[in-house]
Amino acid sequence: SYDLTQPPAVSVSPGQTATITCSGDKLGDKYTCWYQKKPGQPPVLVVYQDSKRPSGIPDRFSGSNSGDTATLTVSGTQAMDEADYYCQAWDSGDVIFGGGTKLTVL
Amino acid sequence: DVELVESGGGLVQPGGSLRLSCTASGFAFSSYEMNWVRQSPGKGLEWLSYISSTGSTIYIADSVKGRLTVSRDNAKDSVYLQMNSLRAEDTAVYFCARDLGSRTGLVYWGQGTLVTVSS
Repeated sequence: SYDLTQPPAVSVSPGQTATITCSGDKLGDKYTCWYQKKPGQPPVLVVYQDSKRPSGIPDRFSGSNSGDTATLTVSGTQAMDEADYYCQAWDSGDVIFGGGTKLTVL
Repeated sequence: DVELVESGGGLVQPGGSLRLSCTASGFAFSSYEMNWVRQSPGKGLEWLSYISSTGSTIYIADSVKGRLTVSRDNAKDSVYLQMNSLRAEDTAVYFCARDLGSRTGLVYWGQGTLVTVSS
């Protein structure tokens, strides 16, 4: 089975840049998405096809994917960005989620 | 506006069964693939199943294969998740989700329905 590995936690100061990584074998050969998940709410797609943003997602969210690592970057992090973030890719027909990263805005 | 509404959750005893429904509105349901995803308390997101727009292609996660079946009724704009032989570890919020396109990203999600497996 295909696995995606994320760091359990990342912390950032308000206004600074947060970087969350997602690692998988030859992940750069696959499209990767990123979701923001807050308690009691459904996930929100913040990046798709490695680097595209859905309508309504602020441009402080950006993504990249190369080699074995996909990266979500949150620039000018705000308190409202504190949440769990999950990467996701496809392996054959299956949807694969990473284990999630808790982003804390200190 | 696109809306997905899950229903059918509740308290069920171990070994029991449950059928979840997800009813869609605001888009051409029959043209889109649908997925089910769950989140157990304190855990991460877990993908469960995919069904193509026509229902002809179905994928089920290995972790629940043999206990879950997925189906859809395009005339009713609904997708279903039948869960059998439920275990305590199936306790979770279950979400249905629609892809932005085909294998693009799950852009629309329902609010989820809570399933609690307990005696």
